[in-house]
Amino acid sequence: NAGVTQTPKFQVLKTGQSMTLQCAQDMNHEYMSWYRQDPGMGLRLIHYSVGAGITDQGEVPNGYNVSRSTTEDFPLRLLSAAPSQTSVYFCASSPTGKQPQHFGDGTRLSIL
Amino acid sequence: GQNIDQPTEMTATEGAIVQINCTYQTSGFNGLFWYQQHAGEAPTFLSYNVLDGLEEKGRFSSFLSRSKGYSYLLLKELQMKDSASYLCAVRDTGVALIFGKGTTLSVSS
Repeated sequence: NAGVTQTPKFQVLKTGQSMTLQCAQDMNHEYMSWYRQDPGMGLRLIHYSVGAGITDQGEVPNGYNVSRSTTEDFPLRLLSAAPSQTSVYFCASSPTGKQPQHFGDGTRLSIL
Repeated sequence: GQNIDQPTEMTATEGAIVQINCTYQTSGFNGLFWYQQHAGEAPTFLSYNVLDGLEEKGRFSSFLSRSKGYSYLLLKELQMKDSASYLCAVRDTGVALIFGKGTTLSVSS
């Protein structure tokens, strides 16, 4: 099992560009989530999903879209990148929302 | 509002015991998690408390008092590899986790 796989690991974008961060898990987990981690801010929840076809907003959803068409995949879309979205993005999954989450290795995103 | 407080930094020496505190104020409570995160890496799960009391896992223990909105992570027999950030996270009323800002622990020889 690969666990939670995030691609790409690093990305540099220009302001205004759009991009999709990929997240896939092979553990048949129902719950998946996206966080961003900024220095001094801790992990903040962007969006989450409790199952295919169901998504909900977290603490900082503005500027991001998600979809969950399959159990395995939970992509995060930046519609029009802004320098304030420079961050490390982590995807996580768990069997249900009530169990410990497994994190991917992260995507380090810089927006110029 | 939702608030989780942890000390920003702590230092300790190899072989010692260290206690990392976490206090929380959330709209509800459905469990508290501790994660470890080494620099440049992903967080990994350490422990989970939903009832009051102590949970022990080898060198690591975690305590919860729901009436006080308080938890601590106890690390015994510290090793250099324990140098990392320790994240406290609370699940309030739903399934979403609220994370504290983390405590960076530095272990010296």
